[in-house]
Amino acid sequence: NAGVTQTPKFRVLKTGQSMTLLCAQDMNHEYMYWYRQDPGMGLRLIHYSVGEGTTAKGEVPDGYNVSRLKKQNFLLGLESAAPSQTSVYFCASFPRTGKGETQYFGPGTRLLVL
Amino acid sequence: RKEVEQDPGPFNVPEGATVAFNCTYSNSASQSFFWYRQDCRKEPKLLMSVYSSGNEDGRFTAQLNRASQYISLLIRDSKLSDSATYLCVVSSPGYSSASKIIFGSGTRLSIRP
Repeated sequence: NAGVTQTPKFRVLKTGQSMTLLCAQDMNHEYMYWYRQDPGMGLRLIHYSVGEGTTAKGEVPDGYNVSRLKKQNFLLGLESAAPSQTSVYFCASFPRTGKGETQYFGPGTRLLVL
Repeated sequence: RKEVEQDPGPFNVPEGATVAFNCTYSNSASQSFFWYRQDCRKEPKLLMSVYSSGNEDGRFTAQLNRASQYISLLIRDSKLSDSATYLCVVSSPGYSSASKIIFGSGTRLSIRP
């Protein structure tokens, strides 16, 4: 099992450019999440999905869109990147049973917006 | 008030010392509790779950106090490799059918030789 993988690992964008971050998991987990982590701060939830074809907003959704067309993939899109979106982005997945389980994280994508 | 609060540290202790972190949570309906470890520029990784009866894993002991709404992590005989940021994670009902998982901001621990 690869677990949770993220691509790309690192990216530099200019203000106004767009990009898509891909998260893939091979554990057949129902729930998937996108977080951002800024220096000295905790993880903040951007969007999440409770199953294929469903998405919902988290704590800081503005400026981002997501799609979950396949159960194993969760895409995070930035339509018009801004310097405030410079951050480390983590994807996580979580099994549906939930009881006693916790999240599994990908290695992160470091995004720099100039 | 944040839903999950931790002392940010940093805690700077000598190798071999015992160090303890606390984390408080505000939602009394919280169901599951975890400690994660995050190394610099890496993803968070589960260190241990926290059970009502308390649990121990080698040099690490986690405890839950529901009445006072806090969890703790104790590290005995600390090693240089224990240097990391420790995240408190609390799971509560919410977000429709998905658990609401809240991360603390983390406590930085630095072990010196």
